[in-house]
Amino acid sequence: DAKTTQPNSMESNEEEPVHLPCNHSTISGTDYIHWYRQLPSQGPEYVIHGLTSNVNNRMASLAIAEDRKSSTLILHRATLRDAAVYYCILRGGAGSYQLTFGKGTKLSVIP
Amino acid sequence: EAGVAQSPRYKIIEKRQSVAFWCNPISGHATLYWYQQILGQGPKLLIQFQNNGVVDDSQLPKDRFSAERLKGVDSTLKIQPAKLEDSAVYLCASSVFSGGDTQYFGPGTRLTVL
Repeated sequence: DAKTTQPNSMESNEEEPVHLPCNHSTISGTDYIHWYRQLPSQGPEYVIHGLTSNVNNRMASLAIAEDRKSSTLILHRATLRDAAVYYCILRGGAGSYQLTFGKGTKLSVIP
Repeated sequence: EAGVAQSPRYKIIEKRQSVAFWCNPISGHATLYWYQQILGQGPKLLIQFQNNGVVDDSQLPKDRFSAERLKGVDSTLKIQPAKLEDSAVYLCASSVFSGGDTQYFGPGTRLTVL
């Protein structure tokens, strides 16, 4: 499986934007970039995913570098409820759809 | 829409005892997954079902772990006998299909083996 690299932890002030980086230098052309997050004492939940173009949804934005070797998850206004572990996952194309979780980035939000 | 249900939420057992976890996926979801999450790590896939058939169980320790999804709906994961290193959160997830589809996770069962 292609590997991702994320910082172990990050902090953000409440109501400010948060940029969570992910490096994936060995990404293949058919790999999608998925983000899941895990709130304390809960199972992971889907956040967003993309292939080449930047993506937006109600939860976040995903900015993908032109060479696809890195991406950034953007939370536009962090709230206390956004404190979680964020996982950046490469999900393969045909025949390789499994989610392989790393250790993720633990985001702390300061009131 | 009801989410993925799991029970029990917590379980404490002695080593060498047996334990079973139950999962009811979102209605209509064909694919069901069981993950193991050890403290401080990300979830690790144990087994994946498509309807009532096993798609991938390559990371399931088959000498002690077993899982079934007899009618293609709910599923049971069993550990027999449990070891100390089995202490973890066991997560169940489901998706409509298996092909790159979003996975929806349950709250998990926290197992402590003493």
